[in-house]
Amino acid sequence: EAQVTQNPRYLITVTGKKLTVTCSQNMNHEYMSWYRQDPGLGLRQIYYSMNVEVTDKGDVPEGYKVSRKEKRNFPLILESPSPNQTSLYFCASSFRRSGTGTYEQYFGPGTRLTVT
Amino acid sequence: QKEVEQNSGPLSVPEGAIASLNCTYSDRVSQSFFWYRQYSGKSPELIMSIYSNGDKEDGRFTAQLNKASQYVSLLIRDSQPSDSATYLCAVNKIQGAQKLVFGQGTRLTINP
Repeated sequence: EAQVTQNPRYLITVTGKKLTVTCSQNMNHEYMSWYRQDPGLGLRQIYYSMNVEVTDKGDVPEGYKVSRKEKRNFPLILESPSPNQTSLYFCASSFRRSGTGTYEQYFGPGTRLTVT
Repeated sequence: QKEVEQNSGPLSVPEGAIASLNCTYSDRVSQSFFWYRQYSGKSPELIMSIYSNGDKEDGRFTAQLNKASQYVSLLIRDSQPSDSATYLCAVNKIQGAQKLVFGQGTRLTINP
């Protein structure tokens, strides 16, 4: 089954304790992204990756790191989490449709993170 | 001014009627436009994409794009209770790259 998986789905942690949220896709998509979703602010892009070893900042990259060492995996790293990073996080992967040259994006199930 | 704006709703529509969802965007160079549906507690699901001016129909859904007015809409015909969800408008500003900007979403409720 084609899918994007994230782990963990739920995480409660304390300020300053480094954590990693994993994201994996089995569709051989080149493009992957991380978003956070907050009430009243909607979905905001944190980082995106256009291919292995190619990443770029989205709209809210501060406090986050990513890496793309393999095509299928795109982990999100919070080196020193703070309470303002409490949010619902989504990983997404996308492919470029030939002909139109546009992208279709598929989201993972989400990770609910609470930082106390 | 927000880059992508939607009326947050809630929008309440009787079952069987047409639901009309609207979205405006600020950047004229925007290339691609998408509508996602998100059920409560779930991840967004792509339901429509549109790239050229005019209408695009897929089943009960019709997306409309007017680049001159910087306006995108989604029509849902014969609305069903299962259509009750939050609908997110997204705009891709950069051709050749995946950089989506989302609106805050419109919460739609279909009343039986």
